[in-house]
Amino acid sequence: GAGVSQTPSNKVTEKGKYVELRCDPISGHTALYWYRQSLGQGPEFLIYFQGTGAADDSGLPNDRFFAVRPEGSVSTLKIQRTERGDSAVYLCASSLFIGETQYFGPGTRLLVL
Amino acid sequence: ELKVEQNPLFLSMQEGKNYTIYCNYSTTSDRLYWYRQDPGKSLESLFVLLSNGAVKQEGRLMASLDTKARLSTLHITAAVHDLSATYFCAVVLTNSGYALNFGKGTSLLVTP
Repeated sequence: GAGVSQTPSNKVTEKGKYVELRCDPISGHTALYWYRQSLGQGPEFLIYFQGTGAADDSGLPNDRFFAVRPEGSVSTLKIQRTERGDSAVYLCASSLFIGETQYFGPGTRLLVL
Repeated sequence: ELKVEQNPLFLSMQEGKNYTIYCNYSTTSDRLYWYRQDPGKSLESLFVLLSNGAVKQEGRLMASLDTKARLSTLHITAAVHDLSATYFCAVVLTNSGYALNFGKGTSLLVTP
């Protein structure tokens, strides 16, 4: 079946702009996770949702980052006033239930100029 | 502060050889995962290890977990070129949610 999908696959923006990154989880998966991966590093946790609610947002680096999952399926990661340091690959994952194996999407490569 | 350390970070090995990648973590963990990442691609789940002494094998890869030593190993048997990739271990902390905490990854290159 279809895996986790993310759009766009690449995003180039200018410093100070607002961006939205979208994640479509595997159908029926109740939990959704966002990570950020810098070059040569392992992914770093940002936030995860159980259903519609953000169960843990302790990894969000500051209040410029926000994520929603209004209907318990698709999620959007929103970054305000982007900075060059936000450049990374943003990965989304989903699991059937919270705590089970997470399946990752292909990522969105964000470049802030 | 949780630390997840992998070694080596880079590994070049010849086809047919055996080698082990190590993953140490600094606090109690509920479960440990191994993922594979090919260049420019996303992460593929390989193994999940849930208890002390757990061992799982798939093809030429075998993973084990020692929770007392806070150590997991990924053993490669008779390496082939197709195993070239970056391998990450990730732990979920006990009583601390469900976020994966990743190591820096081991970049493996298998040469003829």
